[in-house]
Amino acid sequence: AAGVIQSPRHLIKEKRETATLKCYPIPRHDTVYWYQQGPGQDPQFLISFYEKMQSDKGSIPDRFSAQQFSDYHSELNMSSLELGDSALYFCASSLVGGSYEQYFGPGTRLTVT
Amino acid sequence: SQQGEEDPQALSIQEGENATMNCSYKTSINNLQWYRQNSGRGLVHLILIRSNEREKHSGRLRVTLDTSKKSSSLLITASRAADTASYFCATDDDNNNDMRFGAGTRLTVKP
Repeated sequence: AAGVIQSPRHLIKEKRETATLKCYPIPRHDTVYWYQQGPGQDPQFLISFYEKMQSDKGSIPDRFSAQQFSDYHSELNMSSLELGDSALYFCASSLVGGSYEQYFGPGTRLTVT
Repeated sequence: SQQGEEDPQALSIQEGENATMNCSYKTSINNLQWYRQNSGRGLVHLILIRSNEREKHSGRLRVTLDTSKKSSSLLITASRAADTASYFCATDDDNNNDMRFGAGTRLTVKP
């Protein structure tokens, strides 16, 4: 079965650079969630989108922005990167009106040097 | 199919009963973790079991790991309505340390 796809899988950036992470949800899923997991920490909810509109916002820094496109894929844009942004970024998708389970992607490992 | 697949996908029980959720994975792992998620928000780490461990306990939680079958189970004993949540297993790939989350089991505990 198709799963959530994230790209790139690994990304190395320098401080103050920008990064864009992409997430392709499971076909027909209409909701996308972004999570950030620092070393040794639990994943923290950043933001979610339902039908291309922001539906919920967690601890997403102002330097980050995200959107969901007409094909339901989502992009997380990160600017003025800091060393503390080094983390594993997960995307999950679900189908509102379905069983609400979130299906997680493999994650993008971002390293800021 | 995905690494770290849980079954069942949904489980509904009465308060006081035990809940068992299973997770299967495909690759070699260093460890396996179980997480709980309320209301589609953050994930809360419950327990970690290493690949050389077979069983761990934490309060009402019991986790087993069978590396020969590439499977794990999470048992919640004497369930409470507050245990209602989604439960995920996550494995870290022995090759590249990336984490893989399963699809999750939605547990409903009826008072």
